Amino acid sequence: ETGVTQTPRHLVMGMTNKKSLKCEQHLGHNAMYWYKQSAKKPLELMFVYNFKEQTENNSVPSRFSPECPNSSHLFLHLHTLQPEDSALYLCASSQEVFTVNTEAFFGQGTRLTVV
Amino acid sequence: AQSVTQLDSHVSVSEGTPVLLRCNYSSSYSPSLFWYVQHPNKGLQLLLKYTSAATLVKGINGFEAEFKKSETSFHLTKPSAHMSDAAEYFCVVRADKLIFGTGTLLAVQP
Repeated sequence: ETGVTQTPRHLVMGMTNKKSLKCEQHLGHNAMYWYKQSAKKPLELMFVYNFKEQTENNSVPSRFSPECPNSSHLFLHLHTLQPEDSALYLCASSQEVFTVNTEAFFGQGTRLTVV
Repeated sequence: AQSVTQLDSHVSVSEGTPVLLRCNYSSSYSPSLFWYVQHPNKGLQLLLKYTSAATLVKGINGFEAEFKKSETSFHLTKPSAHMSDAAEYFCVVRADKLIFGTGTLLAVQP
């Protein structure tokens, strides 16, 4: 266990549904991230939060809406998704945001299938 | 600009034989480099990291990697593969963010 927990592990949703992914870390880290992992593509950084504030949004469509109520929890709210959004969504945390010795700890991911 | 290239998408070895997973990087300054492993249905786990200290870095599970500036490489090696090493391995360079390679899927044959 890395100390980063994601729920649910698997999610199947229709294109008109609204769902949320949850990430929780008890490592005392200040930075949290959402990544998208699609088949045959490098991991894509979606959002970065530092001390609960969003510091980066890598041109992610508005149908993905992140929320960080505190440094330990990160959500990804999903609505009106497309089939091409099907992927493994990984949450990660680190002590600080990308300093020289930053080591990111990853959750096990949520396997999302949009039908 | 920083980038990382993993030269092999698939590598297959026999149990007990050496493992070599290749990674080349591009960086305009001294980089921080990482190797992560992802077992099926698991998240990414850090294997080892290079942050401008010793060029030969030892990680978990018997893996190590050597930073070679002249070759801009950071290849991952292990002297003897184990069945449990079968997984996907990612080479990562840290710029203003973590930049991941496309991954190398390691298969270990009995």
